[in-house]
Amino acid sequence: AQKITQTQPGMFVQEKEAVTLDCTYDTSDPSYGLFWYKQPSSGEMIFLIYQGSYDQQNATEGRYSLNFQKARKSANLVISASQLGDSAMYFCAMRERSRPSFGNEKLTFGTGTRLTIIP
Amino acid sequence: DAGVIQSPRHEVTEMGQEVTLRCKPISGHDYLFWYRQTMMRGLELLIYFNNNVPIDDSGMPEDRFSAKMPNASFSTLKIQPSEPRDSAVYFCASSLSSGQRTGELFFGEGSRLTVL
Repeated sequence: AQKITQTQPGMFVQEKEAVTLDCTYDTSDPSYGLFWYKQPSSGEMIFLIYQGSYDQQNATEGRYSLNFQKARKSANLVISASQLGDSAMYFCAMRERSRPSFGNEKLTFGTGTRLTIIP
Repeated sequence: DAGVIQSPRHEVTEMGQEVTLRCKPISGHDYLFWYRQTMMRGLELLIYFNNNVPIDDSGMPEDRFSAKMPNASFSTLKIQPSEPRDSAVYFCASSLSSGQRTGELFFGEGSRLTVL
């Protein structure tokens, strides 16, 4: 079963508009972390934002915010005032600590959303 | 500060040849991961190490793939013999087991492998 689901393979958004990229996850572990990474056409993976399962508030990093709805198991990325440089692939990822194994620090990634910003 | 360093950045080889990809993690990081990225399968975890010890290699596709981490500052991923379906971008990443964003991966720039 997919642990991370990104249902939008591609999105086109007008420059300066806000955009929401969807991510839902599946876990029975009470302790987990959610990450968003950006991969521009150059190929590198760039960390954007992190949300811990016990964090009380939604994470924000500059123009990026994470709409964390724990009961719905969703962790959508919101980019405000989009820019041409935001055109890239965006990946949602989750880290679980499943018992009884210690230190299960691996990240599982979704299939990604290709975002294109239109001038 | 130096990030994760991978080499080579690009490798073109012929089917049947041995391929060795190298990775130097960020100093002090205790986890090292090898991921493979293809259009068809996305980002797949191949193997990861904790304190130089392999923890989970269930993602290694078959016996042609092997990975080692002889010390805290170096890891290799070897494919022998290589096949065209191994063509992909291979990422190495490292992380710390503790800290504010536990589990955040720091990626290298990737090694793009083409097997003809």
